[in-house]
Amino acid sequence: QSALTQPPSASGSPGQSVTISCTGTSSDVGGYNYVSWYQQHPGKAPKLMIYEVNKRPSGVPDRFSGSRSGNTASLTVSGLQAEDEADYYCCSYAGNNSPYVFGTGTKVTVL
Amino acid sequence: EVQLVESGGGLVQPGGSLRLSCGASGLTISRSWMHWVRQAPGEGLMWVSRISSDGRNAVYADSVRGRFAISRDNAENTLSLQMNSLRAEDTAVYYCAIDSGRYFTYWGQGTLVTVSS
Repeated sequence: QSALTQPPSASGSPGQSVTISCTGTSSDVGGYNYVSWYQQHPGKAPKLMIYEVNKRPSGVPDRFSGSRSGNTASLTVSGLQAEDEADYYCCSYAGNNSPYVFGTGTKVTVL
Repeated sequence: EVQLVESGGGLVQPGGSLRLSCGASGLTISRSWMHWVRQAPGEGLMWVSRISSDGRNAVYADSVRGRFAISRDNAENTLSLQMNSLRAEDTAVYYCAIDSGRYFTYWGQGTLVTVSS
């Protein structure tokens, strides 16, 4: 199972929006409504930000939103804040034999 | 507050073995499927293994199948990962995580495994 493809980096000024793509195949991203996104600050554990493509766990600001078109999922962070600077990973369910595949990760920088 | 705490990491020689543990507090894990996810230094996340809530069904990534074994003790609220025939490429921080429906809600802080001579 190959990793999902994400851009290595993305950036924006405070208050702006940034969108991160996550490209897979019809066997993972495009085949199931189980795309999730995780935020990871340096030296910390990942934190769930989006699940089931576009749902937000309680406590996650509504500045974070998810979507999908075909085999590509996206995470949008609106109204960028300094604390949003982190690595972001997508993840997709991919069936019973090799259930989960992560994206390559995107480093978001707040300029 | 839900907490997952991993332990058992350390330095091991290639070909050696190590057993990781993950203890849970603040929730009973017996109803949850559980996972191990790892992250090599400076690299991204990689899913390693999953075990069903009753411990009867386990699945592994191709790169660890046949060398790693996941298990759980619901009475003790713990998850384990037995790692054998370790290779340099297994060097990583290993996280345990709780599955809440094909996504990972809670993560431990991770334990570092270094495979080196």
